[in-house]
Amino acid sequence: DAKTTQPPSMDCAEGRAANLPCNHSTISGNEYVYWYRQIHSQGPQYIIHGLKNNETNEMASLIITEDRKSSTLILPHATLRDTAVYYCIVRVPSEVNTGNQFYFGTGTSLTVIP
Amino acid sequence: EAGVAQSPRYKIIEKRQSVAFWCNPISGHATLYWYQQILGQGPKLLIQFQNNGVVDDSQLPKDRFSAERLKGVDSTLKIQPAKLEDSAVYLCASSGPFRVSPLHFGNGTRLTVT
Repeated sequence: DAKTTQPPSMDCAEGRAANLPCNHSTISGNEYVYWYRQIHSQGPQYIIHGLKNNETNEMASLIITEDRKSSTLILPHATLRDTAVYYCIVRVPSEVNTGNQFYFGTGTSLTVIP
Repeated sequence: EAGVAQSPRYKIIEKRQSVAFWCNPISGHATLYWYQQILGQGPKLLIQFQNNGVVDDSQLPKDRFSAERLKGVDSTLKIQPAKLEDSAVYLCASSGPFRVSPLHFGNGTRLTVT
């Protein structure tokens, strides 16, 4: 079952920052937060992951609160191509990556508006 | 690096027919997953392989679904006989060797059972 809560949908103006929230109030100390997105007719695309420090890569930034009970994925300058469903997942890394740990839920449908 | 390759992209069959999907993971990825994604839902794990051994097939409907990964690289997922409720996108994913390695997905096969 999902360990995360996300709003079902959000809109963002093109060129503005898109801030996608995720609540994971029951996260344990060794669980990582992962973000994926799924553009229509494509498979989920890995974006970023983190444990407790903020992370940034070429796609996005991940801000995790100090108590780790929530996080925000930031797309700094949203484009129309960022319109997708965004999934927030928490999991405990294991010796063998267990597929069931990547529970996707229904995510947030982000629409970038011209 | 080349991504996860899947074929075919689309398949339409009648109920009670059989169908097979093929997946080639990212080179060097020992762990391979098959997910089923029904319209409007997140992906759900069907089966997971580590090299050519099954790690988890607890959610695979074994009366009609089968999967194999004979040489620890490519994999095939088969449905026989298909039911209307099997209409979905079948996604293949692979992951690298590290405990925090994310899953990387192919673009899936969209199956329609009529």
